[in-house]
Amino acid sequence: EPEVTQTPSHQVTQMGQEVILRCVPISNHLYFYWYRQILGQKVEFLVSFYNNEISEKSEIFDDQFSVERPDGSNFTLKIRSTKLEDSAMYFCASSSDPTESLHFGNGTRLTVT
Amino acid sequence: AQKVTQAQTEISVVEKEDVTLDCVYETRDTTYYLFWYKQPPSGELVFLIRRNSFDEQNEISGRYSWNFQKSTSSFNFTITASQVVDSAVYFCALSEGTSYGKLTFGQGTILTVHP
Repeated sequence: EPEVTQTPSHQVTQMGQEVILRCVPISNHLYFYWYRQILGQKVEFLVSFYNNEISEKSEIFDDQFSVERPDGSNFTLKIRSTKLEDSAMYFCASSSDPTESLHFGNGTRLTVT
Repeated sequence: AQKVTQAQTEISVVEKEDVTLDCVYETRDTTYYLFWYKQPPSGELVFLIRRNSFDEQNEISGRYSWNFQKSTSSFNFTITASQVVDSAVYFCALSEGTSYGKLTFGQGTILTVHP
């Protein structure tokens, strides 16, 4: 069964550094999402993306965050200047249609030191 | 604004016991979806079920069953004859109207099944 792939599985970065989290959605999917889960807490919506633009974003998704689909297969989340509180598990998800269930990747654990 | 409440932070049971995980939601929309996800210790999110607001039929899948009641805004999840492999964090989630991909998750319930 096709799946959403996220790399790396774990990334450690220093405060203030830029980090790019990478995702390869399922190939025929058109709707892409990023979610975040701070350790021990609930999963939170960050942003949805369709047709090369952001459809919706949460209050968490401030100017430090950006998303991009640089080619036909990758979907990236960039954090420009990481803070300690950005440490979390970041999940990418995709769907073929906005009414279809999301397919989540296995997540990237980001640790900011 | 939409909200999902999972009042049970942690549940501990012994293998073969039945266990019910509660989920209560709030929404102003008449059209919405409800979900359950399982997060095992390895961390991934495993999709279990999706229910739309117009379908109140209960569902059974093997040892899993779901009870959707609009009158009480609840979508509870029961595991029958629990097993150690059921140990995980379980999340209930809600999406509204045209923002189907924007899920609002509950805080999660940590289920531990002891042998």
